Amino acid sequence: NAGVMQNPRHLVRRRGQEARLRCSPMKGHSHVYWYRQLPEEGLKFMVYLQKENIIDESGMPKERFSAEFPKEGPSILRIQQVVRGDSAAYFCASSTGTEAGNTIYFGEGSWLTVV
Amino acid sequence: AQSVTQLGSHVSVSEGALVLLRCNYSSSVPPYLFWYVQYPNQGLQLLLKYTSAATLVKGINGFEAEFKKSETSFHLTKPSAHMSDAAEYFCAVSGNTGGFKTIFGAGTRLFVKA
Repeated sequence: NAGVMQNPRHLVRRRGQEARLRCSPMKGHSHVYWYRQLPEEGLKFMVYLQKENIIDESGMPKERFSAEFPKEGPSILRIQQVVRGDSAAYFCASSTGTEAGNTIYFGEGSWLTVV
Repeated sequence: AQSVTQLGSHVSVSEGALVLLRCNYSSSVPPYLFWYVQYPNQGLQLLLKYTSAATLVKGINGFEAEFKKSETSFHLTKPSAHMSDAAEYFCAVSGNTGGFKTIFGAGTRLFVKA
């Protein structure tokens, strides 16, 4: 399967624990995006990365959230000290580059539940 | 800043009826516009994309959308709804402002009645 791969698909964490969500882009794609979807809400942009470089993190909460896309391996969205309000679906998408109008392709999502 | 507004969070149609999902955009530059579909517990799938090559864009599953600059709209239509069209639909905009990120509307959930 050459699509965007996300894992885990479902993750349960207790309040105060850390959540790590992983995303491997489509083959040939060098850019990764993370979006959050809350119940009954649309997709909210969080962060846009290229390998070893954060291009735009304007949608990331100022605290507890971080993202990386290392030279080797998947992109990781890390949420420290999770709270109930972090419960959501987190979607990763990837694209080939930075030209205007790039089509982004989505993974199946990671559903985080904080109990 | 670029943005999209989807009119109507829920739309209900009968099987065989016309589907019309509305989207208006805001952009200071010629935009790239997209429609995506999301089935329950799945990721988003691209339906179609406007790139200025043609104002009427045909997508998958019989959907099409028309770009109207004068109305700043990009409404999605399908002549005859099928039960399998029941899903959530997202309009999105991207361009050369805002760092090329794609911005999504709030979504419209389509219900299809037998």
